[in-house]
Amino acid sequence: QSVLTQPPSVSGAPGQRVTISCTGSNSNIGAGYDVHWYQHLPGTAPKLLIYANNNRPSGVPDRFSGSKSGTSASLAITGLQAEDEADYYCQSYDSSMSAYLAFGGGTQLTVL
Amino acid sequence: EVQLLESGGGLVQPGKSLRLSCAASGFTFTNYAMSWVRQAPGKRLEWVSSTGTSGDTTYYADSVKGRFTISRDNSKNTLYLQMNSLRGEDTALYYCAALVVVLGAGGWWGQGTLVTVSS
Repeated sequence: QSVLTQPPSVSGAPGQRVTISCTGSNSNIGAGYDVHWYQHLPGTAPKLLIYANNNRPSGVPDRFSGSKSGTSASLAITGLQAEDEADYYCQSYDSSMSAYLAFGGGTQLTVL
Repeated sequence: EVQLLESGGGLVQPGKSLRLSCAASGFTFTNYAMSWVRQAPGKRLEWVSSTGTSGDTTYYADSVKGRFTISRDNSKNTLYLQMNSLRGEDTALYYCAALVVVLGAGGWWGQGTLVTVSS
């Protein structure tokens, strides 16, 4: 059970927009810790998509954007492409006794 | 080019030990806190352990606390994970990662090394 909650799956048709939520609490996102987002194909190295809530590393298309408000964050993907089909994880830090760093449960994106 | 190359995985019996290594290159290793993250078959990414830039501060997930030890050798640009008293539930692909992002640089991961705990 992760301290960051994501929907298990989302889907969308090519060209559409999808959002993935990441819900935390006052000990992590709500405490002001930054949220990062990763794209992952199982068995491969995860790829950083968004860092510090809403920043894209060099080379990441502007179709990907992030936001954060209160105890939640979200990742938006516009102009869906078949290559976007992957698992997406949010990651933050936690000040509770049981965790220092946490990943969300992951969201599987299916491009219909 | 940033590279994180994990090694040391393999098949090990329950209760035994294993030591993972991660050789880093292409960035200033001493500027980055480092972490181990694992993914069990069919499961989500799970944070395992992190260490600060000097290795003096360490953090562990409850699931490995008291059994695993993270360390780093900054003279060799290498991160380690000593895993003792291994259990079946430790079976996973173990990733080495620099999860901190500094001025847009960071968030790097290795390809992972597979640990299988089975008799």
